Amino acid sequence: TQLLEQSPQFLSIQEGENLTVYCNSSSVFSSLQWYRQEPGEGPVLLVTVVTGGEVKKLKRLTFQFGDARKDSSLHITAAQPGDTGLYLCAGPMNSGYSTLTFGKGTMLLVSP
Amino acid sequence: DTEVTQTPKHLVMGMTNKKSLKCEQHMGHRAMYWYKQKAKKPPELMFVYSYEKLSINESVPSRFSPECPNSSLLNLHLHALQPEDSALYLCASSHHPRLDGTGELFFGEGSRLTVL
Repeated sequence: TQLLEQSPQFLSIQEGENLTVYCNSSSVFSSLQWYRQEPGEGPVLLVTVVTGGEVKKLKRLTFQFGDARKDSSLHITAAQPGDTGLYLCAGPMNSGYSTLTFGKGTMLLVSP
Repeated sequence: DTEVTQTPKHLVMGMTNKKSLKCEQHMGHRAMYWYKQKAKKPPELMFVYSYEKLSINESVPSRFSPECPNSSLLNLHLHALQPEDSALYLCASSHHPRLDGTGELFFGEGSRLTVL
């Protein structure tokens, strides 16, 4: 079973601060995805990283895929209350049916 | 249209009731999924349908019965559930049943189920 470990599990910060969330595994993944889930909603895909060493930016969010494709990070610059939510990393399982295995998630709370 | 629509949004049922959750997508996706999510936990895969055929059942109890009437619809029939089955049930879809290099899922908003 491919496991994804996320850290930290919970993060509470003030508006304007920077933060980094980590997603680590002992397994190699062909790609990793990051989702954000707001309370009472389904997860929404933020980004997919495919190439080892890849860096993708989405406004104030920067995503990185490790060179060995075993880990990824999400960095948020100048966090805003609207960034509050559960951040999930996910990678394809080996079933061949586009199934995903999810990390346990990082709950981010950004206070004004 | 890039939405996955789930109904009902909330459902309360007794342990002897029979109810159904419904999911619909019009993106032409050929794979559809049911996930179960307990509070403060990640989604857990229950079923995968590929081209309207059940491809994966993650050892889900028979009190959950999935159905895929056509490529746009996915149902989850519920019968004789237990209180511990209370959770958010998420439907998702993807372009292709097999990994296409990204495995991107499009999720609905979920159906919040409470079993009394």
